[in-house]
Amino acid sequence: GAVVSQHPSRVICKSGTSVKIECRSLDFQATTMFWYRQFPKQSLMLMATSNEGSKATYEQGVEKDKFLINHASLTLSTLTVTSAHPEDSSFYICSARTVNTIYFGEGSWLTVV
Amino acid sequence: AQKITQTQPGMFVQEKEAVTLDCTYDTSDQSYGLFWYKQPSSGEMIFLIYQGSYDEQNATEGRYSLNFQKARKSANLVISASQLGDSAMYFCAMRATGTASKLTFGTGTRLQVTL
Repeated sequence: GAVVSQHPSRVICKSGTSVKIECRSLDFQATTMFWYRQFPKQSLMLMATSNEGSKATYEQGVEKDKFLINHASLTLSTLTVTSAHPEDSSFYICSARTVNTIYFGEGSWLTVV
Repeated sequence: AQKITQTQPGMFVQEKEAVTLDCTYDTSDQSYGLFWYKQPSSGEMIFLIYQGSYDEQNATEGRYSLNFQKARKSANLVISASQLGDSAMYFCAMRATGTASKLTFGTGTRLQVTL
């Protein structure tokens, strides 16, 4: 079964609104989680590293005020896309590390209309 | 900086045959980990296999095996006895020391299994 759960799997929102995506580690604690973005037919691009209890670390070119990351507990990280625009439409996916390997959530398809 | 290269944008294989998906990497780190993930059309990333840079034996997981050639900096995925359900995108990724679990991905290979 899944060890990392992501919700919602699909979301449609209007331009200008904000949308929150949750990433949960199941049955294990994850002090660090990662958020990736994937455009159609392309590879995953790391957006940011989510650190429990501290600020996220963003990759170059990723707007931290646009993509708010909160890692308030050892099992939950959230990504909030603020003031969403159609160009934010994409596939967002998180990952977390267990003892043995790195698992990904199911991913979230965001469509901004 | 690390880099992963997957030179095969698409591959075809007949059902029950074996197929090799290529992956080369570039890193100056001595300690690193190599991963393969499968991404079906649903989007989820399914972990397949892991190889540590200090592992002396090639990793195997069921029908998946990793042909690790450290000197050549290659970590090819071998899928034996292909099944129709193996049709998907396959990504090679690397985690370097000191980056916690941050992964660098290749561009992926789309595998199509045919009857």
